[in-house]
Amino acid sequence: AQTVTQSQPEMSVQEAETVTLSCTYDTSESDYYLFWYKQPPSRQMILVIRQEAYKQQNATENRFSVNFQKAAKSFSLKISDSQLGDAAMYFCAYRSAGAAGNKLTFGGGTRVLVKP
Amino acid sequence: DVKVTQSSRYLVKRTGEKVFLECVQDMDHENMFWYRQDPGLGLRLIYFSYDVKMKEKGDIPEGYSVSREKKERFSLILESASTNQTSMYLCASRTSREEAFFGQGTRLTVV
Repeated sequence: AQTVTQSQPEMSVQEAETVTLSCTYDTSESDYYLFWYKQPPSRQMILVIRQEAYKQQNATENRFSVNFQKAAKSFSLKISDSQLGDAAMYFCAYRSAGAAGNKLTFGGGTRVLVKP
Repeated sequence: DVKVTQSSRYLVKRTGEKVFLECVQDMDHENMFWYRQDPGLGLRLIYFSYDVKMKEKGDIPEGYSVSREKKERFSLILESASTNQTSMYLCASRTSREEAFFGQGTRLTVV
């Protein structure tokens, strides 16, 4: 079974600075998807960014970018120019691309605090 | 705008009660999911359904059942609520190709 680990329960960042959230995963599969979801206080889970394992290029979405290291099974999220609205729980998630690809497996989450 | 709607944001139930959590999506998605969210544990999959009347157990199905009589609606049932089922419950839906869309969550307290 796949597992996803987020080793940082909480991270703090100054407004306009950069913060990096770490995520590692364990899988024997070669084709899969990785995601970062954001959950603000409103509790609505929002997809931040998605990475397909067969793509070597790291995904980028505005101020959010990932560092995908397939051999190391590492998938970190970098938030640049942090804004107050970035304060939220962030979850890393894994989904198989194969027949078992129906479900997402989540990490334990990292709370991001943004200081003005 | 895509929408996944959960029937309640907050719910308080007594131990032993039968509890229904309802989820409706308006995107014609085949797949629907129920997750439980607890601090430090992230989201854990309880059950999912890939078609009407079809269901599969997730990672923590004990104490729960589900019902999917119509494509747009997926219900989570706690047959006899217990205090260790106090948690946040999140519903999600997706097609085979897209990312998952989530509801706003139901915070259930069992007293």
